[in-house]
Amino acid sequence: GNSVTQMEGPVTLSEEAFLTINCTYTATGYPSLFWYVQYPGEGLQLLLKATKADDKGSNKGFEATYRKETTSFHLEKGSVQVSDSAVYFCALSPSSGSARQLTFGSGTQLTVLP
Amino acid sequence: DTAVSQTPKYLVTQMGNDKSIKCEQNLGHDTMYWYKQDSKKFLKIMFSYNNKELIINETVPNRFSPKSPDKAHLNLHINSLELGDSAVYFCASSQEKSFRTSGRNEQFFGPGTRLTVL
Repeated sequence: GNSVTQMEGPVTLSEEAFLTINCTYTATGYPSLFWYVQYPGEGLQLLLKATKADDKGSNKGFEATYRKETTSFHLEKGSVQVSDSAVYFCALSPSSGSARQLTFGSGTQLTVLP
Repeated sequence: DTAVSQTPKYLVTQMGNDKSIKCEQNLGHDTMYWYKQDSKKFLKIMFSYNNKELIINETVPNRFSPKSPDKAHLNLHINSLELGDSAVYFCASSQEKSFRTSGRNEQFFGPGTRLTVL
């Protein structure tokens, strides 16, 4: 079956530090890959996505590249801010099958200190 | 203005009760979902619903049942609540026209309903 593995948190960084959150996946074919972010007390919102190999998704300074050869979709940001503190979820949507359900990773709590 | 709304935001109830959580989306989407998020933030799909076609995650107890009065609503009804049902429940919607389309469309999530069973 499909699965997503994320690096475990929590992750604590100082403001302006470099961020990497690792994500690897298991799926057949070419799934679509997503990063969602959940701010405290809120629902999830899409941060970025990539739908085919070598695509780079980017938004708000965050980037992730769809690497088919390593089945990875690592999230990076060059300089984090306090406002980036949230839980980050990597997810995939399969390219085949009877339903386009998202499979989520376990989430990574990020705290950015001033 | 809210794209996906849920009511109530908080729900505290006794074991054995029956309760419902309502979800509405004003995005004109064709597909809606219910997720459960446990205390460790792990998210699991419960149901996917498109044009009266329902996909049920096999791990969901049959005490849980989604009900869709129209395309914009997918309510979650829970019978005989148990302690283990305590969690945050999220509704979501997407533009997917059917369960056989690309799966590339993002899902829009509601703010969540925190259910506490005592």
